[in-house]
Amino acid sequence: GAVVSQHPSWVICKSGTSVKIECRSLDFQATTMFWYRQFPKQSLMLMATSNEGSKATYEQGVEKDKFLINHASLTLSTLTVTSAHPEDSSFYICSAKGDGPWGYTFGSGTRLTVV
Amino acid sequence: QKEVEQNSGPLSVPEGAIASLNCTYSDRGSQSFFWYRQYSGKSPELIMFIYSNGDKEDGRFTAQLNKASQYVSLLIRDSQPSDSATYLCAVITSGTYKYIFGTGTRLKVLA
Repeated sequence: GAVVSQHPSWVICKSGTSVKIECRSLDFQATTMFWYRQFPKQSLMLMATSNEGSKATYEQGVEKDKFLINHASLTLSTLTVTSAHPEDSSFYICSAKGDGPWGYTFGSGTRLTVV
Repeated sequence: QKEVEQNSGPLSVPEGAIASLNCTYSDRGSQSFFWYRQYSGKSPELIMFIYSNGDKEDGRFTAQLNKASQYVSLLIRDSQPSDSATYLCAVITSGTYKYIFGTGTRLKVLA
């Protein structure tokens, strides 16, 4: 159990456009999902905590108006990178916790390249 | 002080040897600890979790937790070249219940 599906797996977009990344828990309900960003050869950095039915909690230094998070249902959270710039190019990963003891399950990640 | 610290490596061990990966954390109230393996360009995958002091074994992997020293480790016995990856330690912090990762240790198992 505890499968998290993330789409798209990779995306290339032009500078100034917006990109939406979806994270779905397939076989469990996730009241809380997390969004991470990982630059090459660096660890995962928590960007925000997404709570179903309420506003996301952003980490210090993460622009909430740039990285829009919506958690409209117990199985879906979306991250929209607005007005993307080349420096936003990164690997974005979501995770969610089910009810079991297995910790947090990660999506497969989205490689974003802004050109 | 970083919340979760790991030596970035690379840690090189010969095939068949024991690889020892270490992690320290700053939040004394943390209760849950996880080890993930991440191959380049891929998402992390859970290897083990540990909540209680002592050792927890699963196949070739053993997680060790010492809450008094705020230290958690992962031992990989009979290391294989396929074990070559970055190993991430993760801790759920008390209070805010955030899931915080260390910077990861890159392991190289030499054939």
